[in-house]
Amino acid sequence: QVQLQESGPGLVKPSQTLSLTCTVSGGSISSGGYYWSWIRQHPGKGLEWIGYIYYSGSTYYNPSLKSRVTISVDTSKNQFSLKLSSVTAADTAVYYCAREGIVGATSDYWGQGTLVTVSS
Amino acid sequence: QSALTQPASVSGSPGQSITISCTGTSSDVGGYNYVSWYQQHPGKAPKLMIYEVSNRPSGVPDRFSGSKSGNTASLTISGLQAEDEADYYCSSYTSSSTHVVFGGGTKLTVL
Repeated sequence: QVQLQESGPGLVKPSQTLSLTCTVSGGSISSGGYYWSWIRQHPGKGLEWIGYIYYSGSTYYNPSLKSRVTISVDTSKNQFSLKLSSVTAADTAVYYCAREGIVGATSDYWGQGTLVTVSS
Repeated sequence: QSALTQPASVSGSPGQSITISCTGTSSDVGGYNYVSWYQQHPGKAPKLMIYEVSNRPSGVPDRFSGSKSGNTASLTISGLQAEDEADYYCSSYTSSSTHVVFGGGTKLTVL
């Protein structure tokens, strides 16, 4: 059973960089066949796809966030990470990491989510 | 505003059936059989219930079914149970640069 767990600061100051890490267990990122994604959910709102990374390091980002997003992978630790720069209050959300199939954009395993609040 | 349109809320009594619609365009729902449905209980992560329009992952009850006609996908839950009360989100692969789009979510109330 694949499990994902987000970690990182729950409070970030405006204009700073939000940094989160997702640790994967029960499966290897390096085995291929899946994208590793970040998705966020603003309080009381719907879901927004942020971007994904493949084990090789190939990435694809939501154009609306592309200028501020970096997703990286550390296969030796079976982790992937999200950095979102120049944050504002509008970036306050629950951030989820997820495993996404190569075909079909379906996320079959999700982390529990972590609330990140942007506030001074 | 979400890319896919869902009703804000639906309700039904235990044992009844309900259907949640998800309307997109020919660039997403109508163009590909890559519609997924997720169930989300308060404070929890989304759980995959349906993928590729009508396929159920292992462990999902067969009370949950999916279908698609044109640019509209649907999730049907039959034999409603109290534990089905949750928010439901549809998603679809899209040929646009956003890769995947979500619906705004539907709150299911079991009366």
